[in-house]
Amino acid sequence: DTEVTQTPKHLVMGMTNKKSLKCEQHMGHRAMYWYKQKAKKPPELMFVYSYEKLSINESVPSRFSPECPNSSLLNLHLHALQPEDSALYLCASSQGLRTYEQYFGPGTRLTVT
Amino acid sequence: AQSVTQLGSHVSVSEGALVLLRCNYSSSVPPYLFWYVQYPNQGLQLLLKYTSAATLVKGINGFEAEFKKSETSFHLTKPSAHMSDAAEYFCAVSDKGSSNTGKLIFGQGTTLQVKP
Repeated sequence: DTEVTQTPKHLVMGMTNKKSLKCEQHMGHRAMYWYKQKAKKPPELMFVYSYEKLSINESVPSRFSPECPNSSLLNLHLHALQPEDSALYLCASSQGLRTYEQYFGPGTRLTVT
Repeated sequence: AQSVTQLGSHVSVSEGALVLLRCNYSSSVPPYLFWYVQYPNQGLQLLLKYTSAATLVKGINGFEAEFKKSETSFHLTKPSAHMSDAAEYFCAVSDKGSSNTGKLIFGQGTTLQVKP
């Protein structure tokens, strides 16, 4: 099973709202990733967690706050977003940082109004 | 720094024709290379990967790619296109620098259109 699940599928939020995106995998992977993808562009890496510890933060604004409660779950907390943050947010996982094939979830389509 | 170039942002083929999507990379060390496919409003699906074993790699849905070190290329091919192959395709290279971050470097993507 190479499934990564993400909820919700769609999210519309105002600029003053607080919301969270959730990602889950049951493949025993120890590395998890958040990406942001704009239309017709490749995914842009935001955060990397390895063994539940934040490994990479690609200079992402503090209005995005990641959390890894356990090895299967990854959250992205959103607060005071801007309209330009509207995008497809993808979660991915891999066995580890040295195992480079990443498996992606279906994404959350976020619209900030 | 590693980089990936996908030649042709848009490729159009007829159903049943050969599919060729081009990918060139730059890397100071032998990389790991990947092709991903993305259908509209979906996540990325791994098509195939090269990890320094056989240079001709077979993937899902009839796709294959050949690693050519001398040409720093990893082109994706399929002998006969199907309507369901219409999608966005991304080539990616691993960041195998000293940090071993697991970071993937993506190309800009190629949109494959399949005409009936």
